[in-house]
Amino acid sequence: GNSVTQMEGPVTLSEEAFLTINCTYTATGYPSLFWYVQYPGEGLQLLLKATKADDKGSNKGFEATYRKETTSFHLEKGSVQVSDSAVYFCALSVGYSGAGSYQLTFGKGTKLSVIP
Amino acid sequence: DAGVIQSPRHEVTEMGQEVTLRCKPISGHDYLFWYRQTMMRGLELLIYFNNNVPIDDSGMPEDRFSAKMPNASFSTLKIQPSEPRDSAVYFCASSFDWSTDTQYFGPGTRLTVL
Repeated sequence: GNSVTQMEGPVTLSEEAFLTINCTYTATGYPSLFWYVQYPGEGLQLLLKATKADDKGSNKGFEATYRKETTSFHLEKGSVQVSDSAVYFCALSVGYSGAGSYQLTFGKGTKLSVIP
Repeated sequence: DAGVIQSPRHEVTEMGQEVTLRCKPISGHDYLFWYRQTMMRGLELLIYFNNNVPIDDSGMPEDRFSAKMPNASFSTLKIQPSEPRDSAVYFCASSFDWSTDTQYFGPGTRLTVL
């Protein structure tokens, strides 16, 4: 089956520090990969995505590259801010032919706290 | 667009009572998803619909849970009877297309069953 493994949190960083949140996956077929972010008291929202190998997703200074050879999609940001404090979810989806069926799998989430 | 709308935002009920959660997806989105989030189990997909038809309900915990989508702009998740272990945040999400497309989440309903 499909699965996503991301590093356990919580992660605490000082402002302007470099961030890496590791994410690896196992999947049948050709998955699309996503990072979602959840701010306190809110629903998840898409941060970035990549739909094929070697694609790089980027948004708000965050980046992640779809590495098929290492089955990874690590999230990085060069300089975090206090406003980046949130829970980050890695996810994959695999589509199956017929009836619009697909499977979406989320990791358990990594809580990031950025202190001034 | 107003985004995905969920109601109520908070629900407190007593064990044994029926609970109905409501969701209005983004107009034009063909897929609708119901999730449950708890500290212990994380984010779980309960069921999803394509063009109002349930496609996969394997995540629905048991017969006490049911979901309907009578039309393209409305869905309900019902729990009857509710139990304390159902306490969680329930999210509704919608997307335009499948697999590669972004899911747009609502703000969630925080359910507390006493």
